[in-house]
Amino acid sequence: DAMVIQNPRYQVTQFGKPVTLSCSQTLNHNVMYWYQQKSSQAPKLLFHYYDKDFNNEADTPDNFQSRRPNTSFCFLDIRSPGLGDAAMYLCATSRGRRQDSYEQYFGPGTRLTVT
Amino acid sequence: ILNVEQSPQSLHVQEGDSTNFTCSFPSSNFYALHWYRWETAKSPEALFVMTLNGDEKKKGRISATLNTKEGYSYLYIKGSQPEDSATYLCASSLMDTGRRALTFGSGTRLQVQP
Repeated sequence: DAMVIQNPRYQVTQFGKPVTLSCSQTLNHNVMYWYQQKSSQAPKLLFHYYDKDFNNEADTPDNFQSRRPNTSFCFLDIRSPGLGDAAMYLCATSRGRRQDSYEQYFGPGTRLTVT
Repeated sequence: ILNVEQSPQSLHVQEGDSTNFTCSFPSSNFYALHWYRWETAKSPEALFVMTLNGDEKKKGRISATLNTKEGYSYLYIKGSQPEDSATYLCASSLMDTGRRALTFGSGTRLQVQP
């Protein structure tokens, strides 16, 4: 089945130690998104790629970076994780076409713990 | 700033009860309203995408309505079953260059007791 895959499902990192979360998709979608969800809060968009075009949200901290080396893969890099970065990180994709109303398809998320 | 609000935050019902929850969003510059179901340890699953005022969509026992003029959407579940237990998220997007981007509410957590 075509899907959005996130690895790992659970990630533990130390305060200040760089960490990378990975997302891959078999849907061949143009757009890939990264969301952060802290406990009981709304998922918050960090950034998205339309093909290779990177779109950063205005309030995303500089500590968060992303790479999209090809259509299938997208990475979230946290350069110096703080305790406040512990959260669920969701990756999503969409075709990016208006007639699809930009419906998004989600992976299961990576839960990040910072010790 | 686009604020999407959902109520209630959580809900406990008995198997067989019908239930509904609300999503409110700013009505200006509206493009689309999405509903997702998110079961524990699984991916959020799209239920509905609605764009037109007065839209009503149905999938099995679940249905949704949309009022873009007043900025709200209702999700209804008829005859709740334990497998309906999940967090239900709504999200809105705007009619501008950022319409790909969704702004989510914090969800309604539904627990259905057998």
